[in-house]
Amino acid sequence: QQQVKQSPQSLIVQKGGIPIINCAYENTAFDYFPWYQQFPGKGPALLIAIRPDVSEKKEGRFTISFNKSAKQFSLHIMDSQPGDSATYFCAASLEGSNTGKLIFGQGTTLQVKP
Amino acid sequence: DTGVSQNPRHKITKRGQNVTFRCDPISEHNRLYWYRQTLGQGPEFLTYFQNEAQLEKSRLLSDRFSAERPKGSFSTLEIQRTEQGDSAMYLCAITNEKLFFGSGTQLSVL
Repeated sequence: QQQVKQSPQSLIVQKGGIPIINCAYENTAFDYFPWYQQFPGKGPALLIAIRPDVSEKKEGRFTISFNKSAKQFSLHIMDSQPGDSATYFCAASLEGSNTGKLIFGQGTTLQVKP
Repeated sequence: DTGVSQNPRHKITKRGQNVTFRCDPISEHNRLYWYRQTLGQGPEFLTYFQNEAQLEKSRLLSDRFSAERPKGSFSTLEIQRTEQGDSAMYLCAITNEKLFFGSGTQLSVL
C-alpha cells in the first residue's frame, strides 16, 4: 500500500512529441506528489509537484494531471526536446511538501530523438 | 547547484571493507536525509536527521550501516563489512521547502 507504481519503464519519442508518464498509488493518505528528473551521474532534481486537491498543474512545458478518484497521476512534457532525455521519477509523501521522506516510483527512461 | 555536496563521488572497494561517505550541506538545514538508489530503481529512504538527532531509520538500514550528524551540519554514512549487494548510489538530501538531492556517491563493491 506504500508503493507508487510507474509506467512505462522506457519511452522513445521524436522531438516535439508529448511523452506521457503514468503513476498509480494505493494509499489515499498521500498528500503530496512530486516529479523528479535525473541525468546520468547526478542526483534527482525536483521538476514539478501537485497536491491532491488540484487536478492539473503546469510549469513551463511540464504538466501534471491528477485523478484523485482513480488514484493516478501523470506527467506530460509538451514540445519535448533532446535535452529532456533523462530518467523521470514520480513520488509520493504522507507528510506534505516540507518533508524529505518520499516514496519513489521505479522510474521511466525517456529518450527524445532529434 | 542544489546546495548539497557529497564526497567522494565514486568509491570502489573490496567486499568486507568499511567505507564512509560524507555529505555537506552548503548552508544550515535542520533536516538531512540519506537515500540509496540501485541501478534502474528509484531512490529508497534510509534515514534522516533533525539537527544532530537521528529520528528515523528504514528497515533497509541494517546493523552494518551507521549514520551520524555530530554537530547538526555535515553528515557521514558508514558501511561496515561491505557486501556486493551494497553497490548503489548513496544520495544525501536536504529540505528547503522542497527536497534537494546532492549528486551522490556511487559505491561499487567488488
